Parts: sequence; structure tokens; C-alpha cells
Amino acid sequence: DAGVIQSPRHEVTEMGQEVTLRCKPISGHDYLFWYRQTMMRGLELLIYFNNNVPIDDSGMPEDRFSAKMPNASFSTLKIQPSEPRDSAVYFCASSLQSSYGYTFGSGTRLTVV
Amino acid sequence: DQQVKQNSPSLSVQEGRISILNCDYTNSMFDYFLWYKKYPAEGPTFLISISSIKDKNEDGRFTVFLNKSAKHLSLHIVPSQPGDSAVYFCAASPRGANSGYALNFGKGTSLLVTP
Repeated sequence: DAGVIQSPRHEVTEMGQEVTLRCKPISGHDYLFWYRQTMMRGLELLIYFNNNVPIDDSGMPEDRFSAKMPNASFSTLKIQPSEPRDSAVYFCASSLQSSYGYTFGSGTRLTVV
Repeated sequence: DQQVKQNSPSLSVQEGRISILNCDYTNSMFDYFLWYKKYPAEGPTFLISISSIKDKNEDGRFTVFLNKSAKHLSLHIVPSQPGDSAVYFCAASPRGANSGYALNFGKGTSLLVTP
């Protein structure tokens, strides 16, 4: 298995633009997580899904952020409109259990200028 | 409000010596704890875990100690090697590995092991 695949690896965008981050989880994993890493807050949970259903989105910063999982092999995290404070590394992870066995992707480094 | 706290952003240790990374937590419901290791430009990878029924778990050079009364855990690396240089994240969850809750992570501690 190729592991958790995230795209793009790097994204530079202008403030106000829409940004879409993509994630392909490991086949067979039924949990998918979106985390954001910043110096100030470390690894911060944004949202997670179980069997494609959002379970907890309380970490999503505000309405500008949305996430979808239309099927078991694909998820997106969208920011519209983007702001400079959204600059961070966004990680997707998948697992068979809610708190164990996470496989993280390599992350998307987002820079909003 | 950070429920998992790693108060040392960085640590430098000489090769061959012991590295001790510390982690505190505030949520008394947490009973399952993990350490993840992260190299630059890569995602975090699982290192070692401990459940609250134990106070120590060892895996080769890595040992995690849990002090439930103090809500404190630590990761010991002995002996430290240059390849251990990475960011280490402490994580916690209530009610075990498949509780339905996602992991809470700390801010991370950057470990540098010098030759």
C-alpha cells in the first residue's frame, strides 16, 4: 500500500482565494482525520470521519473551513476564503481504530500571502 | 486550551546520553497515551504507547513512564542516537485505543542529538 496520500505537497495562494486539500486514506481504514500543525498550537484536530460520516468537527476553526468524505477512498478539506492565519501544515491520517494505529500522510504545507 | 502540554519546545542531548521528554495532561478522562515521532517533511509516525493500567512500557531504547496522580508522562531514550533527532509529539485519548475519540496531541518537543 502506498500509505496515506495527500495533495498537493505545497500550496501558495493569495488571501481570499479558495484552497482545496486532498487526501486518499489507506484502503480498508474506516477512520480519517484532518489535523493542522502550527508552532503555536502543535497538532490540532480539525475534524474526523468514521465510515465516511463526520463524527466531530468541533476543531474546525470557522465557517470558512469545510471537509467532505464522499467515499471511502477520498476526502477534501476546503478553505474559502483563505486568510494568512490559515498558513500551516495540514495532515490527513487514517486508521482502523479511533485512537491507535494512525498512518499520517506527508502533509500539505499551505502558505496564504 | 491545550489538554496535552509539552512545555519544552526543544531539547539538545549528546549522543549516547539519555533523552527525557516530558508531557503533562489536564483531562482526567485520558487513559491511553502515545508518543509520535516526526521528521521534517514527513508525517508523524507512532513510536510507543501506554495505557493507564501500567506505569511503564519499554520498547528497545524507548521507555514511557506514566504518573497518573501527577498527570505526567515522560519518554526516555537510552542511548540517544543522532537519528533520534526529530520532533516528538505526546498524544492522549480517553477510554482506550478504540474509544471513538480522536487523539489529542501536544505542541511537540524538538530533540537534537549531537555527535
